[in-house]
Formats: sequence, C-alpha cells, structure tokens
Amino acid sequence: AAGVIQSPRHLIKEKRETATLKCYPIPRHDTVYWYQQGPGQDPQFLISFYEKMQSDKGSIPDRFSAQQFSDYHSELNMSSLELGDSALYFCASSSGSRTEAFFGQGTRLTVV
Amino acid sequence: QQQVKQSPQSLIVQKGGISIINCAYENTAFDYFPWYQQFPGKGPALLIAIRPDVSEKKEGRFTISFNKSAKQFSLHIMDSQPGDSATYFCAAANTGNQFYFGTGTSLTVIP
Repeated sequence: AAGVIQSPRHLIKEKRETATLKCYPIPRHDTVYWYQQGPGQDPQFLISFYEKMQSDKGSIPDRFSAQQFSDYHSELNMSSLELGDSALYFCASSSGSRTEAFFGQGTRLTVV
Repeated sequence: QQQVKQSPQSLIVQKGGISIINCAYENTAFDYFPWYQQFPGKGPALLIAIRPDVSEKKEGRFTISFNKSAKQFSLHIMDSQPGDSATYFCAAANTGNQFYFGTGTSLTVIP
C-alpha cells in the first residue's frame, strides 16, 4: 500500500539559508499535518491543511510557511534557518472522513 | 502545556512479559486516541487506536484500555518481544484536528 512520501530524506543547510520540505500524502487523503521532532522529544505540531486550506496551527515559527497544493501534496518552507531548527520533520496524512493519520519517514534537517 | 501526559518515561521488560504504558488527558473534546510506535530515525507508525465509546480494543498482542471517566488510557503489550523495543507515543485528537502527543516511553525488552 502507498504510504506518505517525504522528500528529501536528509538535508543539510547553513544558518540563514532556506529549506523546502515536501510531503506527498497517501492517495485520496485530503489532510496533511506537519510535525517537528527534536532528539528525544515528542513530535510537536506545526500546521495542518484540509482540502488545501489551513485547518490548524501550532507552534510554527513565523519564519516557516506551508501550503497544500491542488494535488494535495504539501510543502513546508523554512527561511532564515537557525541551529535550533535542526530536527526531524514529519508529515502525516489522513482522510477527512476518518481520523487515522499515517506518518511519513521524515526529513532530517541539519542546520550548520 | 502538555495536553497528554504519558508514563513511564522508560520501561524495561523481560521477554514474554507484559509492558504497560499509561496516558492521561484533560480535554474532554478528544474523541480519538491512537498509539504510535517509533524506531530510531523512522516515522511514528500507527499501532492501534480507540474511540471513547469502547473501553477496550485488542489487536494481536496489543490492547488499549480506556477509562473515560478517569480520562485515562493505556497500552498493554502482551508476550513482549525484543522486536517491540521502541519508543511508544500515545496521542489524542479531536476528529479532524491536530494530534497531541504524549512525551513518549522508551521500551526495552530484554531477551
């Protein structure tokens, strides 16, 4: 069965650079969630989209933005990167009619 | 503020034993309670989930017990195996909205 696809799997950026993370949800899933997970931490909710509209917002810095496109894939744009942004970034998807959310394998972002 | 409180932080169990992880929540609007299993460097994988209209759900060696009045739920792993060694997260959600995760339990099953 198709799963949530995230790209890239690994990303190394320098401070003050920008990064774009991509998420391709499970086919027919219309909801995408973004989470940030630091080492040894639980996933922290950043933002979610339902039917291409922002549905919920968590602790997402103003330097970050995201959107969901017409094909339901989502991109997380991160600017003015800081060392503290180094983390695993997970995307999850679900169907609007159900609540089960399935996570991708994540993107490991390292800011140096 | 942690919406979902999880304990213990770490757990060591002998092979064949029962692993029990507990979670508690405050928001009565939550109506969906999943458990995720995460291996290092991997994404959380949905293990089992329950809704408040049932008190228990069993899938193979994994059982969720749910106490609505106490606002608590727990994961029981029967006949624990070394391959179960992972971090387990409980979560809670209000249908369609964000998932709130517990702080995680690192489970080690000793052969």
